[in-house]
Amino acid sequence: QVQLAESGGGVVQPGTSLRLSCAASGFIFSNYAMHWVRQVPGKGLQWVAVILNDGSAKYYSDSLGGRFTISRDNFNNALHLQMTSLTPEDTAVYYCAKDVAVGFSRMDCMDVWGKGTTVTVSS
Amino acid sequence: DIVMTQSPDSLAVSLGERATINCKSSQSVLYSSNNKNYLAWYQQRPGQPPKLLIYWASTRESGVPDRFSGSGSGTDFTLTISSLQAEDVAVYFCQQYYRTPTFGPGTKVNIK
Repeated sequence: QVQLAESGGGVVQPGTSLRLSCAASGFIFSNYAMHWVRQVPGKGLQWVAVILNDGSAKYYSDSLGGRFTISRDNFNNALHLQMTSLTPEDTAVYYCAKDVAVGFSRMDCMDVWGKGTTVTVSS
Repeated sequence: DIVMTQSPDSLAVSLGERATINCKSSQSVLYSSNNKNYLAWYQQRPGQPPKLLIYWASTRESGVPDRFSGSGSGTDFTLTISSLQAEDVAVYFCQQYYRTPTFGPGTKVNIK
């Protein structure tokens, strides 16, 4: 059964950092690009970042201002998102999601999503 | 960024009736070299993550009931639920993946 499970969310103060993780199972993790997508509760979806299957390339939303870093550990089937200089505008549910395309490519369309982890940035 | 808009914001449809959701992109998402529209539709039920329904504008994801269909090309797209079921109550999002992915604001579908 293909599954993604996020962890690492919580309540943090503005200006601090947080590292999210996503554990993948049920598929060959190293064969797929992986994404982070966030959703402000009750609002729409915002794509955050993608990393290619082998970690050779990473792409980010321009709106993040270089504060987030996506990484992966194919040995342990894990995806990470390091977030720094957090602001209240980063408050959201963060989803990890698997890309549809297999191999050394990405389609930027996501066919498997985790349940999400909630990040709240508040003083 | 390509801006996605959807209409209506919400709609209420009787069980068994048709629901139609529209999505418009600020620029064409049709890639001429392969004649594919880089447009997907997702369903998000309350308290759940999004679920991929359709990609390439009209290709149904495996396991998605055939009452869901997608159409359109270029900048104008439609998701149709041919016969609304109770389990279809959800918010539906379109997403373009022609450039940096962007999502529409969502359309909430309820039972009338």
